[in-house]
Amino acid sequence: GAGVSQSPRYKVAKRGQDVALRCDPISGHVSLFWYQQALGQGPEFLTYFQNEAQLDKSGLPSDRFFAERPEGSVSTLKIQRTQQEDSAVYLCASSTRQGPGTIYFGEGSWLTVV
Amino acid sequence: GNSVTQMEGPVTLSEEAFLTINCTYTATGYPSLFWYVQYPGEGLQLLLKATKADDKGSNKGFEATYRKETTSFHLEKGSVQVSDSAVYFCALSSSSGSRLTFGEGTQLTVNP
Repeated sequence: GAGVSQSPRYKVAKRGQDVALRCDPISGHVSLFWYQQALGQGPEFLTYFQNEAQLDKSGLPSDRFFAERPEGSVSTLKIQRTQQEDSAVYLCASSTRQGPGTIYFGEGSWLTVV
Repeated sequence: GNSVTQMEGPVTLSEEAFLTINCTYTATGYPSLFWYVQYPGEGLQLLLKATKADDKGSNKGFEATYRKETTSFHLEKGSVQVSDSAVYFCALSSSSGSRLTFGEGTQLTVNP
């Protein structure tokens, strides 16, 4: 597709459930980012991939959060044993290279934990 | 660490009014600075950017100048339109460019 595609767009999970959020970046984009945006807040960095290598995961809030990009294209963010504080929009973004280039964002996956 | 502070919102203006949204930052090294916009129901879009001191970014009538001496990157537009109603985020990227740090966002509503 033309842009960054994320699925599902909306997810309601019961507390304790595991969820998986998918990101399909723009074709050929080397860098892929995950951000978490709580209601009324700015996005906060979670993790960064360059191709299949996860170069920075310092923003992941706990070991319940795990991200992968095994073939250097599609990425999955997995949240285990979800808790209410995990409710947020999860944004995926991609860019052509490392460095201050243009980063393109997807529309996000809205997660509500009940 | 890096941080971005935006003026508190929301901001409500009449059409054709002058807009300023203040943004200041704290960073080590030489960050690049950005304004992103989020229209209702849509993803974040890059509005403009500046990569070094005294650079001016501009797009769609919006402007912002990278001021290193005041660590600021204020967003301005001379005459806003109803279609400019959105949430605006100021952001900076680390010197390595591997992550963006965002401000909290400013909700702009423009009334006809």
